[in-house]
Amino acid sequence: AQSVTQLDSQVPVFEEAPVELRCNYSSSVSVYLFWYVQYPNQGLQLLLKYLSGSTLVKGINGFEAEFNKSQTSFHLRKPSVHISDTAEYFCAVSDSGGYQKVTFGTGTKLQVIP
Amino acid sequence: DADVTQTPRNRITKTGKRIMLECSQTKGHDRMYWYRQDPGLGLQLIYYSFDVKDINKGEISDGYSVSRQAQAKFSLSLESAIPNQTALYFCATTRTGEAGTQYFGPGTRLTVL
Repeated sequence: AQSVTQLDSQVPVFEEAPVELRCNYSSSVSVYLFWYVQYPNQGLQLLLKYLSGSTLVKGINGFEAEFNKSQTSFHLRKPSVHISDTAEYFCAVSDSGGYQKVTFGTGTKLQVIP
Repeated sequence: DADVTQTPRNRITKTGKRIMLECSQTKGHDRMYWYRQDPGLGLQLIYYSFDVKDINKGEISDGYSVSRQAQAKFSLSLESAIPNQTALYFCATTRTGEAGTQYFGPGTRLTVL
């Protein structure tokens, strides 16, 4: 079984400040890790993913995430946020086998304050 | 044009009515999914299909049924809608071997009165 925990349901941050959205996972097998973003009234879209290799992954819109196997974490970061980053962010984990079942976290709402 | 489309985008219905939500994709993907999103609960998997003849229940399939009419079409039905099925419903697709990367439709907001 696999699970994802996003401890912060809401994160307010001032514009141009840095932000970190936390994600921890548990799994008994090797995993792939994802961050998705959901803008208001839209579906989810992929922000970035970790499959293998370098533990620092860069995504769209200046976001990056770091895979930490020992801490089973995959935190999302951005050095300077914009108003347009206001959205809900979902961490997800998939088993790396053929089944590739995806489990989503409960989401973190990022509110960028002008 | 969007790669994954859902119809209708919004629907209000009454308790006991039968409702069908439709999903179509032009991405050529073999795997399709139906999720339900409720505030604070994230996405919960209702049903998934790995190809036309392979349909599986997800975490919360009770009260729902699906039909995979073609590789590109996957419909979700609520046989007798109830108020606690009020939610945002998403269809998603992926290709076998894409490591779980999913592509989502815009969602259907369903209200059951």
